[in-house]
Amino acid sequence: DSGVTQTPKHLITATGQRVTLRCSPRSGDLSVYWYQQSLDQGLQFLIQYYNGEERAKGNILERFSAQQFPDLHSELNLSSLELGDSALYFCASSLTGTAGEKLFFGSGTQLSVL
Amino acid sequence: ELKVEQNPLFLSMQEGKNYTIYCNYSTTSDRLYWYRQDPGKSLESLFVLLSNGAVKQEGRLMASLDTKARLSTLHITAAVHDLSATYFCAVDVSGTYKYIFGTGTRLKVLA
Repeated sequence: DSGVTQTPKHLITATGQRVTLRCSPRSGDLSVYWYQQSLDQGLQFLIQYYNGEERAKGNILERFSAQQFPDLHSELNLSSLELGDSALYFCASSLTGTAGEKLFFGSGTQLSVL
Repeated sequence: ELKVEQNPLFLSMQEGKNYTIYCNYSTTSDRLYWYRQDPGKSLESLFVLLSNGAVKQEGRLMASLDTKARLSTLHITAAVHDLSATYFCAVDVSGTYKYIFGTGTRLKVLA
């Protein structure tokens, strides 16, 4: 168990809908990362937060947004969902999000858009 | 655009054999990470390499880093079935807080 908690584990929804994925980092970790994993795109970096502030952005679509709350949990919001958004979404955390730290991954949220 | 490429993408090998997975990256970084992902599972850290020439070993796996060549290798010695998994390398990009993963190498060790 990595100590990173993601909910829900599975999510099935329809095109055009909006969903929220939740992540609680390991105790003591201040940085949260979000990744999207799909068969054709691999593991794509979406965004990183540190202590409530956005720190780095990757290939995150404008339809997607995220935030990190004062209690350090994070949410990834996906809106106007398309079939191609079906993927496994991982959250990871690290102590400070700076160079040299390994990431601890949650078990992921499997999103299916029908 | 930053690229982190692994070679090969798929690897099927016999138990007891040796093999090497290669990770090439296109940005300046002195740090490289290896992760393992079992089917249907999450990723877990294997190695953290923090400088040029760094070498780490755990069991039948050994990782090394050549920052001048922008190349890391993951060497498998005398493979066993339990090593079957997908292996990812990752780079944290100097000057940013981006942490980018490679394409992954799916390893299958045949008994």
